[in-house]
Amino acid sequence: DSGVTQTPKHLITATGQRVTLRCSPRSGDLSVYWYQQSLDQGLQFLIQYYNGEERAKGNILERFSAQQFPDLHSELNLSSLELGDSALYFCASSMGAGTGKQTGELFFGEGSRLTVL
Amino acid sequence: AQTVTQSQPEMSVQEAETVTLSCTYDTSESDYYLFWYKQPPSRQMILVIRQEAYKQQNATENRFSVNFQKAAKSFSLKISDSQLGDAAMYFCAYRRGYDKIIFGKGTRLHILP
Repeated sequence: DSGVTQTPKHLITATGQRVTLRCSPRSGDLSVYWYQQSLDQGLQFLIQYYNGEERAKGNILERFSAQQFPDLHSELNLSSLELGDSALYFCASSMGAGTGKQTGELFFGEGSRLTVL
Repeated sequence: AQTVTQSQPEMSVQEAETVTLSCTYDTSESDYYLFWYKQPPSRQMILVIRQEAYKQQNATENRFSVNFQKAAKSFSLKISDSQLGDAAMYFCAYRRGYDKIIFGKGTRLHILP
């Protein structure tokens, strides 16, 4: 158990719809990262938050948005869904700068599997 | 921009044998982290091993060890005494400081009984 919680684990929806994926980071972690993994592909970085602020953006579509709340949980919002958005969406967390010894790795949740029909 | 390349999309190894997965990366930084993550059929991302670039000694974790060649920007993973449970997708990854992790495309490892 990595300590990172993602909900829902599975989600099936239709094209054009909007969904929200939720992530609770490990206790004490300030940084949250979102990744997308399409079928048999590598992990593509979407966005990073640190203590509520957006820190880095990857190849995130304009139809997608995210935020990190004061309690440090994060949400990834996907709208106007298309078939190609079907993927496994991972949230990961890590210690942020100034929080102690950095071990470097990200701790991943189990992912949210999104199927768009 | 930093990149991570895994040139072996798939590999197979006989149970109890040793296998080496290759990885090269490109960076102009001198201080960074390198990782191997394992993704079994459950799709969970599991850290296998971590290497800090400033450390010359190669990291080891039980049956898993790396060959870190900083000048050559090479970071291979050796799995000794392969077990059926080692069957998975293996991702090589790079991270600078507190930035995002950059993943390679992965190597699918099959273990033959």
